[in-house]
Amino acid sequence: DAMVIQNPRYQVTQFGKPVTLSCSQTLNHNVMYWYQQKSSQAPKLLFHYYDKDFNNEADTPDNFQSRRPNTSFCFLDIRSPGLGDAAMYLCATRPLDRGGEQYFGPGTRLTVT
Amino acid sequence: AQSVTQLDSHVSVSEGTPVLLRCNYSSSYSPSLFWYVQHPNKGLQLLLKYTSAATLVKGINGFEAEFKKSETSFHLTKPSAHMSDAAEYFCVVSDPPGNTGKLIFGQGTTLQVKP
Repeated sequence: DAMVIQNPRYQVTQFGKPVTLSCSQTLNHNVMYWYQQKSSQAPKLLFHYYDKDFNNEADTPDNFQSRRPNTSFCFLDIRSPGLGDAAMYLCATRPLDRGGEQYFGPGTRLTVT
Repeated sequence: AQSVTQLDSHVSVSEGTPVLLRCNYSSSYSPSLFWYVQHPNKGLQLLLKYTSAATLVKGINGFEAEFKKSETSFHLTKPSAHMSDAAEYFCVVSDPPGNTGKLIFGQGTTLQVKP
């Protein structure tokens, strides 16, 4: 089945130690999104790609970076994780020519110790 | 600008009784509206969507929602709650694809189902 895959599902990192979360998709969708979701809150958009065109949200900290080497893969890099970066990170996709629903991966739960 | 307001942060029902989760929206466009469900430590799953076709939308697991333009509402209902329905529910409006296509989330409603 076509899907959005996130690895790992659970990630533990130390304060200040760089960490990378990955997302892959078999849907061949042009647009990919990264969200941060803290406990009992709605997802918050960090950035998104239209193909290789990167779009950062104005309030996304510089500590968060992203790479999209090809259509299928997208990475979230946290350069120096702080305790406040502990959250669920969700990846989502949608086709470029169709608005509306996004297809979400299962998420990566990040713990910062 | 578009926005979504979920009127209840927490709803508690007994198993087998009806579910009503309320959502109001604001949009300067003809909106695309969605309900997503999220179980603990899981991603978001689409329950149903409204994209200017029929105003009564049927989704998965027996859920449905009615788009009421006059009331700017898109409430989610289910005739009979099941224990497995306990989860977080998000009402969402999307920015048109010609703009950003971004999703604007409500704050979520936690549904508790009591035996």
